[in-house]
Amino acid sequence: GAGVSQSPRYKVAKRGQDVALRCDPISGHVSLFWYQQALGQGPEFLTYFQNEAQLDKSGLPSDRFFAERPEGSVSTLKIQRTQQEDSAVYLCASTLADTQYFGPGTRLTVL
Amino acid sequence: QKEVEQNSGPLSVPEGAIASLNCTYSDRGSQSFFWYRQYSGKSPELIMFIYSNGDKEDGRFTAQLNKASQYVSLLIRDSQPSDSATYLCAVNMPNAGNNRKLIWGLGTSLAVNP
Repeated sequence: GAGVSQSPRYKVAKRGQDVALRCDPISGHVSLFWYQQALGQGPEFLTYFQNEAQLDKSGLPSDRFFAERPEGSVSTLKIQRTQQEDSAVYLCASTLADTQYFGPGTRLTVL
Repeated sequence: QKEVEQNSGPLSVPEGAIASLNCTYSDRGSQSFFWYRQYSGKSPELIMFIYSNGDKEDGRFTAQLNKASQYVSLLIRDSQPSDSATYLCAVNMPNAGNNRKLIWGLGTSLAVNP
C-alpha cells in the first residue's frame, strides 16, 4: 500500500524565493502534521490539520510560513521569502489513531 | 527543563548485547508514548507505542513505562549492527492544548559494534 509521499525530495532556493512543499498523506488518514527537522535535532512541530481544518499552527516560526489542506487530503507548506535559517528537512506525517506515519521529507537548502 | 529529554549519546554496545534507551517527560497528563527509529538521511519510522504502565514487548524490543516517575525506556535485546540509528522518543502533551500533538526528544544515537 502507498505510504505518505512528499515532493520535491530536494529543493535548493535562493534567499528571498518562495517555495511550496507538497504532502500526499495515506488515504483515509484524517490528521496531518508538518514538522521541521534540523540536523542532529528531533522533529519540531509546525502545524496540524484535521481534515481541512488547521487546528494548531502554533509551531509556524513566522508569518512567512503558511500551510493549507483545502480538500482534507493533499497539504502544501509554503514558505515565502526564504531565509538561510529555513534550511532543514520538512517532514509530513499522517496519523491513524495516535500513530504518526512519516513521509520521506523534503530537504530544503536556502543559499 | 525540556519537555522530553533523552541522552544524546552516542550509546555504543557490542553486537548481541542489550541496548537501553531512556526518555523522561515533563507533562504528568501525557498518555501516549512512542519510540521511533531514524536512520541517517531517512525519516522516522515507528518501532513501538505504549499507553499503560509496565512493559510491552514486540520481538527484540521492549518498551517500559513508569508514569509515576515520568519515564519511558526502550530495550533492544540481541542488538544487531542494523539497529545502529538514532532513536527518538515522542510524547503527547495534552496540557499544551492539543492532545494529538507530539513533543519529540532530540534522539539518542546508538552504535552496535560487530
